[in-house]
Amino acid sequence: AQRVTQPEKLLSVFKGAPVELKCNYSYSGSPELFWYVQYSRQRLQLLLRHISRESIKGFTADLNKGETSFHLKKPFAQEEDSAMYYCALSPYGSSNTGKLIFGQGTTLQVKP
Amino acid sequence: NAGVTQTPKFRVLKTGQSMTLLCAQDMNHEYMYWYRQDPGMGLRLIHYSVGEGTTAKGEVPDGYNVSRLKKQNFLLGLESAAPSQTSVYFCASKRGAAYNEQFFGPGTRLTVL
Repeated sequence: AQRVTQPEKLLSVFKGAPVELKCNYSYSGSPELFWYVQYSRQRLQLLLRHISRESIKGFTADLNKGETSFHLKKPFAQEEDSAMYYCALSPYGSSNTGKLIFGQGTTLQVKP
Repeated sequence: NAGVTQTPKFRVLKTGQSMTLLCAQDMNHEYMYWYRQDPGMGLRLIHYSVGEGTTAKGEVPDGYNVSRLKKQNFLLGLESAAPSQTSVYFCASKRGAAYNEQFFGPGTRLTVL
């Protein structure tokens, strides 16, 4: 079964501390993985995708196929990073429907 | 560009009532999606469309119907609302098969009493 698991509902850190939001997936093929973010009173938006291997707002995420993980990391958290973060998976071979399977979401709270 | 818009923003229904949620996008996107967001469950796909006149079931389609008569609009209908359909509904669109990013609307908060 295709599944995305984010084990932490809430992650609370102090400003300047490192952040790691965990994401594990279950999928037999080669998925495409994303992180979406929802800031307070804003709509859900794409943060980054694994195929781009990019860093956005200081965040990076590496796909580890052996551990089936796609953890989101940032070395120094900022207060403006406080938001809800969703890990999502798009299965290859699904007729390019672009369907996304979302994890449960993790609320990141960065304290001053 | 307004992007993806949703109407209404809030709605309260009584059990058994019906309603239609409207999603509109002005980006000429081919693909459109309806999700529901529930605490502790993330977003779950209800129905989706890969082009005008086409629709398909997602993960949780029961109790919902959709239509895509025009490319820019994707309607989600509840024929007989139930309390279990209390949720926040998000619409999203995607440019096409070769593009990965989905663009989301602001959401509709629906309460069924």
